[in-house]
Amino acid sequence: SQTIHQWPATLVQPVGSPLSLECTVEGTSNPNLYWYRQAAGRGLQLLFYSVGIGQISSEVPQNLSASRPQDRQFILSSKKLLLSDSGFYLCAWPRGGNYGYTFGSGTRLTVV
Amino acid sequence: SQQGEEDPQALSIQEGENATMNCSYKTSINNLQWYRQNSGRGLVHLILIRSNEREKHSGRLRVTLDTSKKSSSLLITASRAADTASYFCATSSGTYKYIFGTGTRLKVLA
Repeated sequence: SQTIHQWPATLVQPVGSPLSLECTVEGTSNPNLYWYRQAAGRGLQLLFYSVGIGQISSEVPQNLSASRPQDRQFILSSKKLLLSDSGFYLCAWPRGGNYGYTFGSGTRLTVV
Repeated sequence: SQQGEEDPQALSIQEGENATMNCSYKTSINNLQWYRQNSGRGLVHLILIRSNEREKHSGRLRVTLDTSKKSSSLLITASRAADTASYFCATSSGTYKYIFGTGTRLKVLA
């Protein structure tokens, strides 16, 4: 079956610390993958998307980066977190047809 | 930039009533989707309507699309307390990415 996994579920990190969030998909190959961020009570902001290994498109300049080391793995990183990086991070995968996106369960990041 | 804007931002209704929320967008689209998000959770895809479709149904959901007005509506009939959630529209212009609106927070009172 086709599933998407995202971890960790919650994370509290001090300002200036590094970040690594991981997203993996199962049951498909060569998926397009996306990272979104949602600020509290707000809509979703597209951060990065990837159409294949090593291919990353950045939507907004910021303190974050993304990598696609394997076909089904998408990683969101930061070398030094800022307070403004706090939010709810969601990985998404478009299944095509009438199915729209399938989202991971999200990571709640709080930078303190 | 934000493509979709939902309206209203918040909606509170009694169980059994219908809930209608609207989405407006700015550029031409290939399709429009509606998602539900329960508090603190990921988004769940509800329904997709293509630009050449005007109306679509799925269970208690009815979605309309008016490309001339660049708007869509989501109707939830006979609402239940379990429908309490935030609802988002998302549009695709034929590229690989979807742009989400700011959402409507729906509260259904038992």
